[in-house]
Amino acid sequence: GAGVSQSPSNKVTEKGKDVELRCDPISGHTALYWYRQSLGQGLEFLIYFQGNSAPDKSGLPSDRFSAERTGGSVSTLTIQRTQQEDSAVYLCASSKLAPWGARDYGYTFGSGTRLTVV
Amino acid sequence: DAKTTQPPSMDCAEGRAANLPCNHSTISGNEYVYWYRQIHSQGPQYIIHGLKNNETNEMASLIITEDRKSSTLILPHATLRDTAVYYCIGTFGNEKLTFGTGTRLTIIP
Repeated sequence: GAGVSQSPSNKVTEKGKDVELRCDPISGHTALYWYRQSLGQGLEFLIYFQGNSAPDKSGLPSDRFSAERTGGSVSTLTIQRTQQEDSAVYLCASSKLAPWGARDYGYTFGSGTRLTVV
Repeated sequence: DAKTTQPPSMDCAEGRAANLPCNHSTISGNEYVYWYRQIHSQGPQYIIHGLKNNETNEMASLIITEDRKSSTLILPHATLRDTAVYYCIGTFGNEKLTFGTGTRLTIIP
């Protein structure tokens, strides 16, 4: 597609339930990133995919969070047993993965999924 | 990623040039300077990036000092729609971007 697509755009869930957030990156973008942004806060890195592998999972806040990417395309972020502190906007971005020193054009972000845990 | 320092907020009159500074004194020779902005309730938007030379595109100009310890993003004719948080990031380009607190730019009518 023309941009990064995320779904759902809004999700309200009860505490303790599991949720799945989907990201469909720009076609041909091999790198995919998940961030989250709590109300009034900055962007917090969660996980980075290169193809289907995740060389950097350092930002996942707990083992309740997991993510996968299949076919080098769509990615799903899963939050198990949601807590109120998980409420945030979850942002996905994709980029062309340029060799070291080469020019690339940065990330393209989706519009995010606003998750509210009640 | 190189640590960057930006003023927390700035105002600029509509129609004037907005000059947003960024200090990155620890930047490595191979790290790019990237600028993004985030308009309220939207995902961040790529603006421009550079390595050593000044860069210009349809959105902005980027001026990087010769020693690469600082840079300035210039929005030549600011409009109300340019009100946003602007992030300056130093990165090799192939890994995660670390977003700081940025500069909240307010365009005044």
